[in-house]
Amino acid sequence: DQQVKQNSPSLSVQEGRISILNCDYTNSMFDYFLWYKKYPAEGPTFLISISSIKDKNEDGRFTVFLNKSAKHLSLHIVPSQPGDSAVYFCAAIPSGTYKYIFGTGTRLKVLA
Amino acid sequence: NAGVTQTPKFRILKIGQSMTLQCAQDMNHNYMYWYRQDPGMGLKLIYYSVGAGITDKGEVPNGYNVSRSTTEDFPLRLELAAPSQTSVYFCASSYRGGGTNSPLHFGNGTRLTVT
Repeated sequence: DQQVKQNSPSLSVQEGRISILNCDYTNSMFDYFLWYKKYPAEGPTFLISISSIKDKNEDGRFTVFLNKSAKHLSLHIVPSQPGDSAVYFCAAIPSGTYKYIFGTGTRLKVLA
Repeated sequence: NAGVTQTPKFRILKIGQSMTLQCAQDMNHNYMYWYRQDPGMGLKLIYYSVGAGITDKGEVPNGYNVSRSTTEDFPLRLELAAPSQTSVYFCASSYRGGGTNSPLHFGNGTRLTVT
């Protein structure tokens, strides 16, 4: 039972263009969402988060959008850079718990 | 500041052997987690702890045990290794736990192969 889904295993984008990574979830009790970035042979690192009471959060080149009615989360990276090439995981936290539930990841390749 | 440290980085086990994956954090975080990452399957929560002496099961706890005798350490024990436990294991910690602006900090992982 995959509660957090990333349906695109991979994505290629030209340098300077926008990268859009998507995440869908099934549990309406999630109240916090996060994006992590992972390079090979390293642990995931935190990128950006959003509370369920908001619909947008920005941090530099990274913006996360939350559409609660559609149970959909997206991460926008503008402009994309070659150093952004990594696997991106979305994660969600059910209300009242301490469990971070992760999606399956999307491999982003930014072409120079 | 080392953050979250995992040892060993790599290990090969024979079926039926036991081992302990070590995890230590120096950030005084109360919450600690063990995840496994299988290809195409994302990160699955094995066990977590909200403080010394308190542990709880995650999504995939079977075949594993944990203990939390100190705030800093959260070892993961495999008692009878099976090929299905071949995976990359990540330990993580956070200050406040879920539901607050307190993201997980991950170690660099232990790659385990059971043959």
